Amino acid sequence: DAKTTQPPSMDCAEGRAANLPCNHSTISGNEYVYWYRQIHSQGPQYIIHGLKNNETNEMASLIITEDRKSSTLILPHATLRDTAVYYCIVRGFNDYKLSFGAGTTVTVRA
Amino acid sequence: NAGVMQNPRHLVRRRGQEARLRCSPMKGHSHVYWYRQLPEEGLKFMVYLQKENIIDESGMPKERFSAEFPKEGPSILRIQQVVRGDSAAYFCASSPLAGVYEQYFGPGTRLTVT
Repeated sequence: DAKTTQPPSMDCAEGRAANLPCNHSTISGNEYVYWYRQIHSQGPQYIIHGLKNNETNEMASLIITEDRKSSTLILPHATLRDTAVYYCIVRGFNDYKLSFGAGTTVTVRA
Repeated sequence: NAGVMQNPRHLVRRRGQEARLRCSPMKGHSHVYWYRQLPEEGLKFMVYLQKENIIDESGMPKERFSAEFPKEGPSILRIQQVVRGDSAAYFCASSPLAGVYEQYFGPGTRLTVT
């Protein structure tokens, strides 16, 4: 039972912002939105997470809509090294299992 | 501050042999999770352990698979009598506490069964 929906793939030009959408229309009030990415053949890498406020760190920004039914991960200046599969995961406060769907394959082109 | 370490990075076993995968969590982390990624598939949760305790093994196959996290030393994922279908990437993650804390992943062990 998938909790999130992401586009299967997207391209982005190097140096431009990459905006990755995620729908989570059935999210409940105590569930967080997490983003991970997996660069080819490597372990998943934590990017960012949020509950309802927008969040920013050194890697990315997370914009969550007011109704919390969708969110957007923003990579402000994409580089070739950002080419990866990006996973949007909805997770309850005590939920230690990360449920990885198919994610979005992001290809950054020079 | 070293990250999560896994070894070996690549492991080749013949059908029927045993595979032992090791995971050393990040310093200060006492919660370990194992995930499996079959070829062309997403990562699936296998087991969650704390020191000397298995908390949740609901994702582990019922037979041939076992996991431990002893008081001293790394966490071990053990697969007995491997079959070709066990060929996959096995990732370990750790966190400082349970609940909604980010999990940090190791580089994985790629198991190939011939």
